[in-house]
Amino acid sequence: QQQVKQSPQSLIVQKGGISIINCAYENTAFDYFPWYQQFPGKGPALLIAIRPDVSEKKEGRFTISFNKSAKQFSLHIMDSQPGDSATYFCAASKGPNSGGSNYKLTFGKGTLLTVNP
Amino acid sequence: ETGVTQTPRHLVMGMTNKKSLKCEQHLGHNAMYWYKQSAKKPLELMFVYNFKEQTENNSVPSRFSPECPNSSHLFLHLHTLQPEDSALYLCASSLGLYIYNEQFFGPGTRLTVL
Repeated sequence: QQQVKQSPQSLIVQKGGISIINCAYENTAFDYFPWYQQFPGKGPALLIAIRPDVSEKKEGRFTISFNKSAKQFSLHIMDSQPGDSATYFCAASKGPNSGGSNYKLTFGKGTLLTVNP
Repeated sequence: ETGVTQTPRHLVMGMTNKKSLKCEQHLGHNAMYWYKQSAKKPLELMFVYNFKEQTENNSVPSRFSPECPNSSHLFLHLHTLQPEDSALYLCASSLGLYIYNEQFFGPGTRLTVL
């Protein structure tokens, strides 16, 4: 059972456009939602993360939108650049008060983003 | 660089070979992880160590044997692997086992089992 569903699998955007990647989760105990960026030949690196007490978090050109009632969250990349071409993974983990191993990240399958010049 | 190094970067082995993957972190972290990354699949957590003690074994086959001699080093010993074990093996570390402790990943070892 895939607990975090990510779409689309691949995305092609023109330079300057907006890239949007969506994730949906099932486990209501999830309380922390990071996004990771992975370039070819590199490991994933934390890009931006959100906690469910806010509906949006912005860092530069990257914004996470969070809809707790719909159990969905998305990554928006504004003014997309060729250097943003990478694979993006959404993830989720349980809250600190939910019991169990709250450090464990459940990942989506990833989205390969290509930004054409 | 992330402060997490992995060697070798590429490994080709036969099904009867024995090999080891090495991970080293220079971040002063106390927790280390092994993940398996296969194409079009989510990252799979394999093992977790905290202060050298194994805290998680995610139902990994015994042909994978981890070792953590200290908080800075993590090994994954491989023996009698199967072709379906071919994947990118990622090591990660974090300050501790806590939801908000960022996990820092190494570049991975690309393993091919013939």
